[in-house]
Amino acid sequence: EPEVTQTPSHQVTQMGQEVILRCVPISNHLYFYWYRQILGQKVEFLVSFYNNEISEKSEIFDDQFSVERPDGSNFTLKIRSTKLEDSAMYFCATVGTAYGYTFGSGTRLTVV
Amino acid sequence: DQQVKQNSPSLSVQEGRISILNCDYTNSMFDYFLWYKKYPAEGPTFLISISSIKDKNEDGRFTVFLNKSAKHLSLHIVPSQPGDSAVYFCAASAQGGGYQKVTFGIGTKLQVIP
Repeated sequence: EPEVTQTPSHQVTQMGQEVILRCVPISNHLYFYWYRQILGQKVEFLVSFYNNEISEKSEIFDDQFSVERPDGSNFTLKIRSTKLEDSAMYFCATVGTAYGYTFGSGTRLTVV
Repeated sequence: DQQVKQNSPSLSVQEGRISILNCDYTNSMFDYFLWYKKYPAEGPTFLISISSIKDKNEDGRFTVFLNKSAKHLSLHIVPSQPGDSAVYFCAASAQGGGYQKVTFGIGTKLQVIP
């Protein structure tokens, strides 16, 4: 069973619609991260979340993005009004051993 | 702004031989370096890491070498196996690593030929 489960695995949405990507870690983690990878490009940092607060965010993480941990286990990334350029693989991560992240298998977001 | 550079987009190696994946970085604040492996349709998997106070770290078939003066690190896989075929990402963080954000390179696709 994976340590970090992401749902859905694939989401297709129309431009301008809101999407919520979900992440469920198995263990009790305090640190969460969202990264994304646009096709053919590098994995990019979006936001880190510690103790129910954003600890750091990148310039990509603008007002259209938000994160929360609504029930103490799920960790969500919301994009309020999706744009075509938001199409990417979105990875949730927690901190594993030796400071290496444990990534989920990702959500492929396709904005049409 | 490519702070972590992987200049070889792909590499092909015969099974049993050594695979050497290279990575350069520009940010002198980086002090913790990691390698991740990624298969299609999966998230990156942590492979091995090295702190800037070391110049080598070994874990089984995987060894990471760090040359701080050259701002260069490399991942050696020996012997290479077909199951090693994947995309390998070099990554780095600053301020002691730990829970800091990580900056990734663009990846090198390794193909190990049986």
